[in-house]
Amino acid sequence: QVQFVQSGAEVKKPGASVKVSCKASGYTLTTYSIHWVRQAPGQGLEWMGWVKHGNSDTKYSQRFQGRVTFTSDTPASTVYMELSSLTSEDTAVYYCAREGGVINFDYWGQGTLVTVSS
Amino acid sequence: QSALTQPASVSGSPGQSISISCTGTSGDVGNYDRVSWYQQHPGKAPKLIIYEVTERPSGVSNRFSGSKSGNTASLTISGLQAEDEADYYCCSYAGSSKVVFGGGTKLTVL
Repeated sequence: QVQFVQSGAEVKKPGASVKVSCKASGYTLTTYSIHWVRQAPGQGLEWMGWVKHGNSDTKYSQRFQGRVTFTSDTPASTVYMELSSLTSEDTAVYYCAREGGVINFDYWGQGTLVTVSS
Repeated sequence: QSALTQPASVSGSPGQSISISCTGTSGDVGNYDRVSWYQQHPGKAPKLIIYEVTERPSGVSNRFSGSKSGNTASLTISGLQAEDEADYYCCSYAGSSKVVFGGGTKLTVL
C-alpha cells in the first residue's frame, strides 16, 4: 500500500537550517508530485510548494521563495525539504503529501515536528 | 496568496446535518473546480474526504458531500456522528501551479 515515512523530530537554533526527508513506497514514484505542507502549533495548514519526483521540477510558495529547497532522490524513493534561516515562526509540523490528482492530496506522511528555539 | 475563508467553528448534535463554507476569489475557488476538503483529528495527519468539489475517495462515508457556487465551496456532513468531531480544511488550486488552504474549521459534536 502507499505509504510515506518522514524523518524524526528536530530542534534547531535560530538562523540554522533543517532538512526533512519523506520516503515513499507502494506506488510508481515518478508518476506523482509531492507537496509540502506545514502546520504551526494550534494553527491551520500552510502550503509550501511541490516537487515532481521524475524530473525534480519545483514550485515554491512565494512566502518561502529563496529560503526553501525541495530535492528528490529517485533511486532512494525519497524527497527532501530544506528550510534555511530558521526563526521561531518556523516551529511547526511539516508534512509531505502525494498529489494523486489535481489538488488532491490522497496520501500524507506522519509529519515531522521542527522546533526552533535558542 | 491569502488563505481561503472558513468559519472558525461549527457545531451540531448527533444525527443533524452541518455545512462548512469556504470562500475564496475568482482567482482560486471561483475559477477552478479543483477544491478539496480534509479532515484532521488531533495529532494526526489530514485525510482527504472530498476532491474536485464533489468527488469522494473510495472508503469515505457518503455522509460527506461537497458543492460550489461562485467563489464559495461548501462541505456538508449529514447524520452527524461523534467521530466526525475534528478540524476541517478546504483547499483550492490558485493558478500558476499554486495552492491555497482555508484557515480551518473546528467541528464540535454536541
